[in-house]
Amino acid sequence: DIVMTQTPLSSPVTLGQPASISCRSSQSLVHSDGNTYLSWLQQRPGQPPRLLIYKISNRFSGVPDRFSGSGAGTDFTLKISRVEAEDVGVYYCLQGTQFPHSFGGGTKVEIK
Amino acid sequence: EVQLVQSGGDLVQPGGSLRLSCVASGFTFSDYWMSWVRQVPGKGLEWVANINQVGSETWYVDSVKGRFTISRDNAKNSVFLEVNSLRADDTAVYYCARHWYYTVDFWGQGVLVAVSS
Repeated sequence: DIVMTQTPLSSPVTLGQPASISCRSSQSLVHSDGNTYLSWLQQRPGQPPRLLIYKISNRFSGVPDRFSGSGAGTDFTLKISRVEAEDVGVYYCLQGTQFPHSFGGGTKVEIK
Repeated sequence: EVQLVQSGGDLVQPGGSLRLSCVASGFTFSDYWMSWVRQVPGKGLEWVANINQVGSETWYVDSVKGRFTISRDNAKNSVFLEVNSLRADDTAVYYCARHWYYTVDFWGQGVLVAVSS
């Protein structure tokens, strides 16, 4: 099974400043169809998760453009260009390339 | 509007069973794989199971194989998770979710399964 490792565990950020979260997979996430199925989800306190980014860098419907994803192979990054108060929560990467799918351990974004 | 409404969570004794249900609306249910994901309170997300559009293909995380069964009824726009031989470490909020583009795009509200004597 593929293991997903996220860093950091926690990211205190000043409002308006950028934040960056890393995700590393234990093996390549390139699917046999040539696509890389790495997505990012946000979970605000007390709510179900919400899809932000799919296939490394595609923003889901309604997601603000301050969120961006990048990476390839086994190393991926989620960036928030200017953190807003509503961005507080836990962020998870998810690999969908291989069954069983698997999540990273989560990164908590909080305001300093 | 896509909606996934869940039911079936409860407090059960170790070794007990439950059937979790998820009713979908706002999309053509039979076009999508469906998934179950769980979360121990205060902890991270864990993928539990998936099922394809017609119920002929299912996948499980190793820790639930042989104890949990995912199924669906397309006529009722519903997906189910039968959870048997429950253990204390199965205590979690269980979410159903729509599988889309090798990720999950819409989630139910979650139901708590608490395993305790």
